[in-house]
Amino acid sequence: EVQLVQSGAEVKKPGESLRISCKGSGYSFTSYWISWVRQMPGKGLEWMGRIDPSDSYTNYSPSFQGHVTISADKSISTAYLQWSSLKASDTAMYYCARHMADTAMVTWGQGTLVTVSS
Amino acid sequence: SSELTQDPAVSVALGQTVRITCQGDSLRSYYASWYQQKPGQAPVLVIYGKNNRPSGIPDRFSGSSSGNTASLTITGAQAEDEADYYCNSRDSSGNPIFGGGTKLTVL
Repeated sequence: EVQLVQSGAEVKKPGESLRISCKGSGYSFTSYWISWVRQMPGKGLEWMGRIDPSDSYTNYSPSFQGHVTISADKSISTAYLQWSSLKASDTAMYYCARHMADTAMVTWGQGTLVTVSS
Repeated sequence: SSELTQDPAVSVALGQTVRITCQGDSLRSYYASWYQQKPGQAPVLVIYGKNNRPSGIPDRFSGSSSGNTASLTITGAQAEDEADYYCNSRDSSGNPIFGGGTKLTVL
């Protein structure tokens, strides 16, 4: 069974750093792009950026470029989303998703809720 | 424009047919994908490519496209189809973008 399993919910303070993870299983991790998608409370889906796990090539939405870092460790089939300094406005659910051959995202993680509050 | 525009809300009577639309310039060149999201759950891909359904998606879901508009049609809507639906395609840079979402109510 193809799965993406994300790390658990996080509660952080503004200014703190954070890395959340997304572990793939049941398929060749290096064969498909992984995207990260934000969903703020009560709002829609926003594409943040993606990574090619085979070579760690990334590209980002202009809205998120410079605010987050996407990385991957293919040896453990895991992708990451990282912040160096969180803001209250980063409070959201974050999903990872595996692409098909194009932009369609066929498999989604269960989501990681990040809460940033002083 | 690199945006995808969806109607915020649509309703359908139980058992009837409903079409959810997505408009954007990129849809003249690229197919849309469609996702269903129920409250508290992750999105689920229901349509991709010209009109393809992943395994496990009922055949009452279908997709089509004309000009700058992509459509998701549910033929014989069921109570369990009540959800938010998002379209997804590419922007002018080739990156993924999502529409704003449509809340489907089954009456």
